[in-house]
Amino acid sequence: AQKITQTQPGMFVQEKEAVTLDCTYDTSDQSYGLFWYKQPSSGEMIFLIYQGSYDEQNATEGRYSLNFQKARKSANLVISASQLGDSAMYFCAMREGLDSSYKLIFGSGTRLLVRP
Amino acid sequence: EAQVTQNPRYLITVTGKKLTVTCSQNMNHEYMSWYRQDPGLGLRQIYYSMNVEVTDKGDVPEGYKVSRKEKRNFPLILESPSPNQTSLYFCASSYDYQVYNEQFFGPGTRLTVL
Repeated sequence: AQKITQTQPGMFVQEKEAVTLDCTYDTSDQSYGLFWYKQPSSGEMIFLIYQGSYDEQNATEGRYSLNFQKARKSANLVISASQLGDSAMYFCAMREGLDSSYKLIFGSGTRLLVRP
Repeated sequence: EAQVTQNPRYLITVTGKKLTVTCSQNMNHEYMSWYRQDPGLGLRQIYYSMNVEVTDKGDVPEGYKVSRKEKRNFPLILESPSPNQTSLYFCASSYDYQVYNEQFFGPGTRLTVL
């Protein structure tokens, strides 16, 4: 079974509007971290935001917020007031413990295009 | 500036010619890792290191070697590259192995093996 599922291969959003990128995860660990990364066309991986499994409040970082619903095992990224520079691939990732060598497990990504 | 650096950024080589991709971080991070990114397969971990002289295999270690002699450096070695190692490679580091610590990525190395 997929550990991280991103069901939206591609999305469009109008500039200045908000957009939600979906992510669901699967783990039996009690302690884990959830992360979102942005990969622009230039190729680098840019860390955006993280949510710890024990955090009760949703994480926010500037225009990014993470809608964390633990019971549903979802960690959706919300980008408010989209900008043209937000056009990129977005990856949801999870970090588990020793059994997963503490690596990041990535979803397949969502390509976001912001329309002017 | 806190960063992870990789060199070279781009490399075209031929089958069997040994190469090393360097990775260095200036954040005094304990945990370092190598990933490769391939279309349709996503990012997969090659090797990781919990600290100096402590390395272990990830999901796809065949054909690769690593070493961690100093805390800041974590080179990836391809002893005899083959075309199936053509990929985009990322080095990443985090403060330690705790699951709550984000991993910071280098700029990537795009490798083509002919």
